[in-house]
Amino acid sequence: EVQLVESGGGLVQPGRSLRLSCAASGFTFDDSAMHWVRQTPGKGLEWVSGISWNGGIIGYADSVRGRFAISRDNAKNSLYLQMNRLKPEDTALYYCAKDSSSWYSGRFDPWGQGTLVTVSS
Amino acid sequence: DIVLTQSPGTLSLSPGERATLSCRASQRVSSNYLAWYQQKPGQAPRLLIYGASSRATGIPDRFSGSGSGTDFTLTISRLEPEDFAVYYCQRYGSSPPWTFGQGTKVEIK
Repeated sequence: EVQLVESGGGLVQPGRSLRLSCAASGFTFDDSAMHWVRQTPGKGLEWVSGISWNGGIIGYADSVRGRFAISRDNAKNSLYLQMNRLKPEDTALYYCAKDSSSWYSGRFDPWGQGTLVTVSS
Repeated sequence: DIVLTQSPGTLSLSPGERATLSCRASQRVSSNYLAWYQQKPGQAPRLLIYGASSRATGIPDRFSGSGSGTDFTLTISRLEPEDFAVYYCQRYGSSPPWTFGQGTKVEIK
């Protein structure tokens, strides 16, 4: 069974940093592109960042480009999101999601249960 | 970026009824790379449909997708109690950013 377990969320002050992790199991991690998607009550679902199986393709939403950095460690079956210069509008539930196609397609399945990030002073 | 607009915002129906959800794109969705997700309270979204009309693994055949270009539809032929949820459409494919619609809530009437 595919499992994605996010961690690292919490309460952080504006301007500070946070690093999210996603532990993957139940599939061949180094064959799969991976993504971070966030959800807020106000803005709904927003793709944040994605990375191809070997890190050769990386993408970011305009709202986080230059502040967030995605990475992966295939030896550890883990995905990361380094979030710097956090803003209140980054407050959201952050999901880790596997790309369900055989390429970097932005089709998400399955998703983890999410980790909550709250940016507030 | 392609903007996806879903309608209606809320659909109030009874179990056994047919649900028809709409998703309209601001530009043509290439190769019909349009997906539908279901989200229940407290849960992550789940992929239902991809390629506009292909059901994901394990999805019951009462769920069907149709459409092309800029207009897409998700149909639930006969609503089961577990189908009351929020549904999102999403554009995927070779060029991010990948965007979602704002969602349609299917609630019990």
